[in-house]
Amino acid sequence: DGGITQSPKYLFRKEGQNVTLSCEQNLNHDAMYWYRQDPGQGLRLIYYSQIVNDFQKGDIAEGYSVSREKKESFPLTVTSAQKNPTAFYLCASSSSLAGVVDTQYFGPGTRLTVL
Amino acid sequence: RKEVEQDPGPFNVPEGATVAFNCTYSNSASQSFFWYRQDCRKEPKLLMSVYSSGNEDGRFTAQLNRASQYISLLIRDSKLSDSATYLCAVTPGNTPLVFGKGTRLSVIA
Repeated sequence: DGGITQSPKYLFRKEGQNVTLSCEQNLNHDAMYWYRQDPGQGLRLIYYSQIVNDFQKGDIAEGYSVSREKKESFPLTVTSAQKNPTAFYLCASSSSLAGVVDTQYFGPGTRLTVL
Repeated sequence: RKEVEQDPGPFNVPEGATVAFNCTYSNSASQSFFWYRQDCRKEPKLLMSVYSSGNEDGRFTAQLNRASQYISLLIRDSKLSDSATYLCAVTPGNTPLVFGKGTRLSVIA
């Protein structure tokens, strides 16, 4: 089955701890993205990557870090520097950012709660 | 002005009704437009792309008005299963999609 997987589905962490959210895709997509969604809010872009070993900050990158060592994987680390990390985190991918943007497809999301 | 704006709703409509949502965008260079559907506590799923000439998929019709910088989604013969939040997404190309906050639709029996 082709698609995007995110794990874990629910994650609880104590304040002051770093945590890494997993995102894997087998769609052979070049571009991958991380968004954050808060209740009643839209999607806000955290980081995106157009190609392996390259990534760019989105609108709310502070307190987050990413890596793109493999085409199919784009993990997101929520660091202790992120002031309000409790949110729904969505990973997405698309075939390319070049030219007209192809549709972005989303994983099922990880719901992070900081206790 | 926000890049992409939507009426948050909620729109409460009876089954069988026709309902329309608009989404305005500020970047006149925008090239690609999409409507997504998001169910409660789930990920957004692509509903349809929006083409310059307008496009239809069953009960759903999407239109683009470049002059006034908005896209619209029309749902005919609403079903209970249409209840969800509808997000519009826009990009000028070479940058990630920018999403609106969504419009919540409740279809009532």
